[in-house]
Amino acid sequence: AQSVTQLGSHVSVSEGALVLLRCNYSSSVPPYLFWYVQYPNQGLQLLLKYTSAATLVKGINGFEAEFKKSETSFHLTKPSAHMSDAAEYFCAVSDHGSGNTGKLIFGQGTTLQVKP
Amino acid sequence: ETGVTQSPTHLIKTRGQQVTLRCSSQSGHNTVSWYQQALGQGPQFIFQYYREEENGRGNFPPRFSGLQFPNYSSELNVNALELDDSALYLCASRPTSDGELFFGEGSRLTVL
Repeated sequence: AQSVTQLGSHVSVSEGALVLLRCNYSSSVPPYLFWYVQYPNQGLQLLLKYTSAATLVKGINGFEAEFKKSETSFHLTKPSAHMSDAAEYFCAVSDHGSGNTGKLIFGQGTTLQVKP
Repeated sequence: ETGVTQSPTHLIKTRGQQVTLRCSSQSGHNTVSWYQQALGQGPQFIFQYYREEENGRGNFPPRFSGLQFPNYSSELNVNALELDDSALYLCASRPTSDGELFFGEGSRLTVL
């Protein structure tokens, strides 16, 4: 069965600093992996996804993530944090191995705080 | 804007009551999923509907049920509400069975 672990429930960075949000997954089949962002009182917005193509995936708002099979990781990075990046970030894996492509398994989330 | 709209945005119920939450999918999307997001947690998959049929379910009891209508709008019904049902309920639609999910802003349910 698939699962996702996000290391660090809270991450605080200074504006302009590197953002690194960690995600490790467990999957019995080649995974489809996703990063979503959630702003207060809003739904989830897709940042980027990995579906077995290029291992370095570029997303919106300057974010990117690298799929590393040997480390079972899919960490999210952004070279320079902006105040508007402060939000909750969720890593997710698709349960497509069971044929149920509609089911995403989410991590617990990481709150990103950006300090001026 | 994703085009997925949910109603109501907030509601308060008491334990034992029943609730219906509604979702209007983005135009052209024939698949809808529902998720429960408890405070401080990641969303958990409740179920998915494709062309009016349930085609996937998470670990939720039968008192969580749903419907999808011919226009692809959807309802989530929860009977015999419990305190732990307090959460943000998210609806997500997709244009195909394996396409990208587009989420609505959610319905926040408080059970007293």
